[in-house]
Amino acid sequence: SAVISQKPSRDICQRGTSLTIQCQVDSQVTMMFWYRQQPGQSLTLIATANQGSEATYESGFVIDKFPISRPNLTFSTLTVSNMSPEDSSIYLCSFLRGGNTEAFFGQGTRLTVV
Amino acid sequence: RKEVEQDPGPFNVPEGATVAFNCTYSNSASQSFFWYRQDCRKEPKLLMSVYSSGNEDGRFTAQLNRASQYISLLIRDSKLSDSATYLCVVMGGGGFKTIFGAGTRLFVKA
Repeated sequence: SAVISQKPSRDICQRGTSLTIQCQVDSQVTMMFWYRQQPGQSLTLIATANQGSEATYESGFVIDKFPISRPNLTFSTLTVSNMSPEDSSIYLCSFLRGGNTEAFFGQGTRLTVV
Repeated sequence: RKEVEQDPGPFNVPEGATVAFNCTYSNSASQSFFWYRQDCRKEPKLLMSVYSSGNEDGRFTAQLNRASQYISLLIRDSKLSDSATYLCVVMGGGGFKTIFGAGTRLFVKA
């Protein structure tokens, strides 16, 4: 089965600072996805990260706030920049397998901004 | 209108009960459908795919109605361990974009 490792699992950060979340997959994957899940809410796609090109951001999310790196086919990072309490949420990385059908998720990063 | 809509619940049922969840989607071009399970403070995990012909996995049965654009999940003989949030997931309709419903919370009580 696929293994995807996400770090950190949780963090408490001061407003105005930035946090970088890392995801490592045990095999090469073409697309990786970053989601946000606020308490009691659904997963909202932030952006799609392809290796070798800029990430594609969804409406309401911008690169300056959520810069993404995808240096190779097994690794990606999401940075939450200039954080405010409204950024407190769970952030999840994901990739597709099984003919681009089944989505696998990292364990999630629970971020609290104070 | 949300792209994927679910009744948030919560559904509170006794052990052994049968419970059904429905989910509607707005994009008729959607191609793939899934139910995911998310335990408290955990990441979502695939429960089962939903096929046009319907599919069954033990106590779980999933159905797809393309004409009415809804999918369903039936859980028979509920167990305490079934307590979780069940996410309706729709994929396709342009690329590999995956849309998640807000989830339906299920509590199974002894």
